Amino acid sequence: NAGVMQNPRHLVRRRGQEARLRCSPMKGHSHVYWYRQLPEEGLKFMVYLQKENIIDESGMPKERFSAEFPKEGPSILRIQQVVRGDSAAYFCASSQGTANEKLFFGSGTQLSVL
Amino acid sequence: GESVGLHLPTLSVQEGDNSIINCAYSNSASDYFIWYKQESGKGPQFIIDIRSNMDKRQGQRVTVLLNKTVKHLSLQIAATQPGDSAVYFCADIPGGSYIPTFGRGTSLIVHP
Repeated sequence: NAGVMQNPRHLVRRRGQEARLRCSPMKGHSHVYWYRQLPEEGLKFMVYLQKENIIDESGMPKERFSAEFPKEGPSILRIQQVVRGDSAAYFCASSQGTANEKLFFGSGTQLSVL
Repeated sequence: GESVGLHLPTLSVQEGDNSIINCAYSNSASDYFIWYKQESGKGPQFIIDIRSNMDKRQGQRVTVLLNKTVKHLSLQIAATQPGDSAVYFCADIPGGSYIPTFGRGTSLIVHP
C-alpha cells in the first residue's frame, strides 16, 4: 500500500513565477492536509480538504495561495507570484477522515525561490 | 498562539540510555495526542498516540505519558539507538477536530 506521494521533491522557482505542488493521498484516504515547515520550526497548518471541498483554509495566506483536491487526480497546492519568503518545505498528509485520527505524511516538497 | 510547546529544543543522550522528551499543551479541549518523528529530509513519521481517557500507552521501546492535570505529555524511548536521532514533534487535536496542531520540536541526538 503506497504511502502519501508528493512531487516534485525539490522545486526551484524565480520570484514572480508560479509553483505547483502535488499530493496523492494514501489509498482509501479521502482527506488531505497541507502543512508548511520552515527550517528549525514545527509544521504550520495551511489547509484541509476533502474531495472537491475545502474544509478549513484558516492557515492559508489570503493572497497568492490556493489549494484544490479534485474528484480525480492529486491535490494541488498552488502558489502564484512566489517570493523568497515562500521558500520552505511543504508537507502533505492524508487520513481516512474521522475526527481525532492520526495523519500520514508524505516526504514533502522543498520549494526554493531564487 | 500555538497550543503545543516543547520544553527543550535539543536533547543529547548516550546510546543505550533512556530518553524523555517533554511537551506542554494549553488547550484543555485537546483529547487526542500524537508523537511524530522526523528524520532529516523526510516527512514526519507516526510513532505513537494517546487519547485523553488514558494516562499511559506503550509501544515498541516507546511509552507516552499524559498528565491532563498539568497539561503535560512525554515520550520515553528505552535503550536509545543512533537510529532514533531525529526531531520529535508532539501534536494535539481538540475534541471533534480533524486538524493536529504541532509544537516546534525537540532534536534528539544519540551519541554512540
